[in-house]
Amino acid sequence: AQSVAQPEDQVNVAEGNPLTVKCTYSVSGNPYLFWYVQYPNRGLQFLLKYITGDNLVKGSYGFEAEFNKSQTSFHLKKPSALVSDSALYFCAVREPQTGANNLFFGTGTRLTVIP
Amino acid sequence: DSGVTQTPKHLITATGQRVTLRCSPRSGDLSVYWYQQSLDQGLQFLIQYYNGEERAKGNILERFSAQQFPDLHSELNLSSLELGDSALYFCASSVASRQYNEQFFGPGTRLTVL
Repeated sequence: AQSVAQPEDQVNVAEGNPLTVKCTYSVSGNPYLFWYVQYPNRGLQFLLKYITGDNLVKGSYGFEAEFNKSQTSFHLKKPSALVSDSALYFCAVREPQTGANNLFFGTGTRLTVIP
Repeated sequence: DSGVTQTPKHLITATGQRVTLRCSPRSGDLSVYWYQQSLDQGLQFLIQYYNGEERAKGNILERFSAQQFPDLHSELNLSSLELGDSALYFCASSVASRQYNEQFFGPGTRLTVL
């Protein structure tokens, strides 16, 4: 069965510093991986996805993520954090082999960027 | 703005009641998904419709049902409500039902059961 782990409930980073939000997954076969961000009182916004190809995926708002098959990880990164990046971040996975089309989400990581 | 709309934004009701949540997908999107977000369960997939047909079911209770209409809007019906049904309910849509399609989420309906 597919699963996603976000090992950190909370990440604090100073403005201007690089940020990393961690995600590991467990699926049978090759995964489809997604990152979403949720701002207070808003729906989830799509940031980026990995389907196949280049392991480094670039997305919206300067975010990128690196797919690492050997470590089964898909960490979200940004070179320089902004206060406006403070939000709840969700990693999600689909397991193509099952034919299921729904997203399976991690528990979320709350990112706080300190001015 | 994702282009997905959900009404109402907030809903307060009593136990045992029935409510209907409505979702309009992005223009051109044929697939609609419903998710429930609660503090203890996190984000959980409930059900998917594609072009009017049920495509997949997740952790949806028998008291809950959904449908997608010919104009592609969808409704989630929750009946015999319990306190534990209090949650944020999201609708998402995607252009097709391909697994690599990203989903676009609406702002959600916050349901409070008293």
